[in-house]
Amino acid sequence: GNSVTQMEGPVTLSEEAFLTINCTYTATGYPSLFWYVQYPGEGLQLLLKATKADDKGSNKGFEATYRKETTSFHLEKGSVQVSDSAVYFCALSQGAQKLVFGQGTRLTINP
Amino acid sequence: DTGVSQDPRHKITKRGQNVTFRCDPISEHNRLYWYRQTLGQGPEFLTYFQNEAQLEKSRLLSDRFSAERPKGSFSTLEIQRTEQGDSAMYLCASSFLLKSWAFFGQGTRLTVV
Repeated sequence: GNSVTQMEGPVTLSEEAFLTINCTYTATGYPSLFWYVQYPGEGLQLLLKATKADDKGSNKGFEATYRKETTSFHLEKGSVQVSDSAVYFCALSQGAQKLVFGQGTRLTINP
Repeated sequence: DTGVSQDPRHKITKRGQNVTFRCDPISEHNRLYWYRQTLGQGPEFLTYFQNEAQLEKSRLLSDRFSAERPKGSFSTLEIQRTEQGDSAMYLCASSFLLKSWAFFGQGTRLTVV
C-alpha cells in the first residue's frame, strides 16, 4: 500500500538557519503530495501542496518540489524563525481520497 | 468561523463507557474524514463519507466504532465499551469532492482511565 517516510526528529535549529525535512513516499501512479503543520495546541493546517510531478508548492517561505524520479517531497526554508517551531507532517493522497501521513517531524527553533 | 469544528475538545472517560464525538465540517464540503492520532505518530485514517454515504472504513475501525453522517451535514463518531488503547486524538477533516487536500478540525482528545 501507499506509505510516507519522514526524516526522524526532533530537529533543533537556531533562528535564521536553513531547514530541510526529508520526505519520501511509496505509491502507485501519481499521488498528490502535501505538507501539513501542527503548531502547539492547534489542529493540522495545510502548509503547501503539489499535485503533479515537478510542481513546486510554496507558502510562508517554505517550499517543496514533487520529484517523481526520487519519490521525494522534501520541505525547505531558507531562514527559519522561532515561530516555525511545530510538528511537520508529509502526506500523500491518491485519487482525491484519504490522506496517508508520515510520522511527523518535531522542529524547534532557538532564538 | 467557517472552519471544521469538533466537540468536545477533551473527553475523559472510564474504561467500558461509551463516548460520542461530533464534527461539523466546512459547509460546502462534500467529504468528511475521521482520523486517529496517537502521541508521536501521524494521523491514521479511520473512515470517510461522501455526503451521507460512508464509502470506506479502515481495518482500524473495530466493531466498537461507528460513524454516521445523517443528511450529509455533521458527523458523529461513537466508541462503545472504551478501552485504554482507544486513548488518542480523534481528528475530523473535510474537503470538496475531487479535491485531494482536506481541512482539519482541532480534534477531540480522548483519555480512557
